[in-house]
Amino acid sequence: EAQVTQNPRYLITVTGKKLTVTCSQNMNHEYMSWYRQDPGLGLRQIYYSMNVEVTDKGDVPEGYKVSRKEKRNFPLILESPSPNQTSLYFCASSAQYRRDSDSGTKNIQYFGAGTRLSVL
Amino acid sequence: GQNIDQPTEMTATEGAIVQINCTYQTSGFNGLFWYQQHAGEAPTFLSYNVLDGLEEKGRFSSFLSRSKGYSYLLLKELQMKDSASYLCAVRASDSWGKLQFGAGTQVVVTP
Repeated sequence: EAQVTQNPRYLITVTGKKLTVTCSQNMNHEYMSWYRQDPGLGLRQIYYSMNVEVTDKGDVPEGYKVSRKEKRNFPLILESPSPNQTSLYFCASSAQYRRDSDSGTKNIQYFGAGTRLSVL
Repeated sequence: GQNIDQPTEMTATEGAIVQINCTYQTSGFNGLFWYQQHAGEAPTFLSYNVLDGLEEKGRFSSFLSRSKGYSYLLLKELQMKDSASYLCAVRASDSWGKLQFGAGTQVVVTP
């Protein structure tokens, strides 16, 4: 079954304790991305990766790190979590197809089930 | 930067039609997506528009006007299970990897 898997699903931690949220996809997608979702703000992109060893900042990258050593994995690292990073996090992946008129469903982003993080 | 606006909430009765508007101001344009998200769940893909016009898929249709920076999602024959948040997302042409979402429109379907 094609899927994006995030772990853990729920996490409560304390300020300053480093944590990693893992994300893995089995669809051989080039593109992967991390988002956070907060009430009234919608989904905001943290980091994305166009392929192995290629990562770039989204709109809210401060306080986060990512790595893309393998195509299937894209972990999100919080080196020193703070309470303002309490949020619902989603990982997503898609194929990377750039011809505008034919992109169609090839560019769909598939989302993981989400990780609800609380930083105390 | 980009600005994506959609209404916060809409209410409609079962069997009716609802139209959710999305306006955007972006540095270039390379596609607009609509996603559905039920409470506590992941967003799921509904539609994609990159060229002007209407895309129809069953009870759901999406329209795009690039010159007006405008899209709408039309939900027909509303069912109770359609109660969800609907997210409009735009990809700018100057950075393929970046996808910006609106805050979402909560649709409440009443009996």
